Amino acid sequence: DAKTTQPTSMDCAEGRAANLPCNHSTISGNEYVYWYRQIHSQGPQYIIHGLKNNETNEMASLIITEDRKSSTLILPHATLRDTAVYYCIVRVAGYGGATNKLIFGTGTLLAVQP
Amino acid sequence: DTAVSQTPKYLVTQMGNDKSIKCEQNLGHDTMYWYKQDSKKFLKIMFSYNNKELIINETVPNRFSPKSPDKAHLNLHINSLELGDSAVYFCASSRGLGGETQYFGPGTRLLVL
Repeated sequence: DAKTTQPTSMDCAEGRAANLPCNHSTISGNEYVYWYRQIHSQGPQYIIHGLKNNETNEMASLIITEDRKSSTLILPHATLRDTAVYYCIVRVAGYGGATNKLIFGTGTLLAVQP
Repeated sequence: DTAVSQTPKYLVTQMGNDKSIKCEQNLGHDTMYWYKQDSKKFLKIMFSYNNKELIINETVPNRFSPKSPDKAHLNLHINSLELGDSAVYFCASSRGLGGETQYFGPGTRLLVL
């Protein structure tokens, strides 16, 4: 079972920042937080991941709380093409089969409005 | 160039038939996966292979048999198809077993009638 809780859906105005929350209150010290998204009818796409520090890449920023029990994915300037289901996934660090699978929850459907 | 490709994109078949879905990646990755997304949109891992060796088998019925002829290919053969097998099947690959990013294919939409 997924170890994360996300809102079912969110709306965001085009051009504004989209802030997607994720609760992972049972996260362990050796578990990363990953974000993937799935645009309608496509395969999931990696966005970003982090352990405890905030991370930023060309797609998004990831803010992880100091206690690591929750995180927020930020899309700084959402566009219509960002409409998708966003999955927050907790994953054990390490090498091997058991750690290498992604356990998807129900995700958040982000609808970017014009 | 498509990184992870799957064929066919759509597959409509009768119950009881046997069918195969093919996956190829041109990323030079060692690890490949099959995921299943059901009608309620739950996405769940089925198998993973690393260098042609089975790593993960998530209690999938033995009617499903993955085959990896080389590390760039991971095919999924399904025997005696059932209505409940209708789903979207996604192939993915990653550089290795160290938690690297997984890259997904476009999916194969299987409908069993």
